[in-house]
Amino acid sequence: AQSVTQLGSHVSVSEGALVLLRCNYSSSVPPYLFWYVQYPNQGLQLLLKYTSAATLVKGINGFEAEFKKSETSFHLTKPSAHMSDAAEYFCAVSVGKAAGNKLTFGGGTRVLVKP
Amino acid sequence: DGGITQSPKYLFRKEGQNVTLSCEQNLNHDAMYWYRQDPGQGLRLIYYSQIVNDFQKGDIAEGYSVSREKKESFPLTVTSAQKNPTAFYLCASSIYDQPQHFGDGTRLSIL
Repeated sequence: AQSVTQLGSHVSVSEGALVLLRCNYSSSVPPYLFWYVQYPNQGLQLLLKYTSAATLVKGINGFEAEFKKSETSFHLTKPSAHMSDAAEYFCAVSVGKAAGNKLTFGGGTRVLVKP
Repeated sequence: DGGITQSPKYLFRKEGQNVTLSCEQNLNHDAMYWYRQDPGQGLRLIYYSQIVNDFQKGDIAEGYSVSREKKESFPLTVTSAQKNPTAFYLCASSIYDQPQHFGDGTRLSIL
């Protein structure tokens, strides 16, 4: 069975500093990997996806993630945090042969941005 | 614009009562999903449906029921058998090669 681990349930960064959110997965087959963002009382919005093309994936709002098969990781980064980045972030792995199949989510990381 | 509509946004349930959460999509997606979100636990899959008139249990289906009579609609019923229903419920849909698209959720509370 697939699983996803997000290291750190809360991360605090200063405005303008690097944002680094960690995600490790386990999968018996090549995975599809996703990062979603959730603002309070809203649904999830897709930030970026890895679907076996380039290992460095660029997403919306200046975020990017790098797929490292040897480390089974898919960490999310943003060079310079903005106040609007305060939200909860979820890493997810797709079960099955296509990107649209069932997702297994990590526990989420809440990001606080300090002025 | 295409999207997923969940209603109501807030819902209250009395003891012993069944309640139904609505999820409608106009994206022409084949698959639909229901997740439950609790603080610190991420999202857990309740039920999913990959085609009309067919659905499968997810990881936490006990105390819930669904139907899929139309491609656009996937309502979730929280039954009285669900002893801890207070949570944020999210509906999603997808098509074969595209990531899941989410609605804005329904927050269910116990009176």
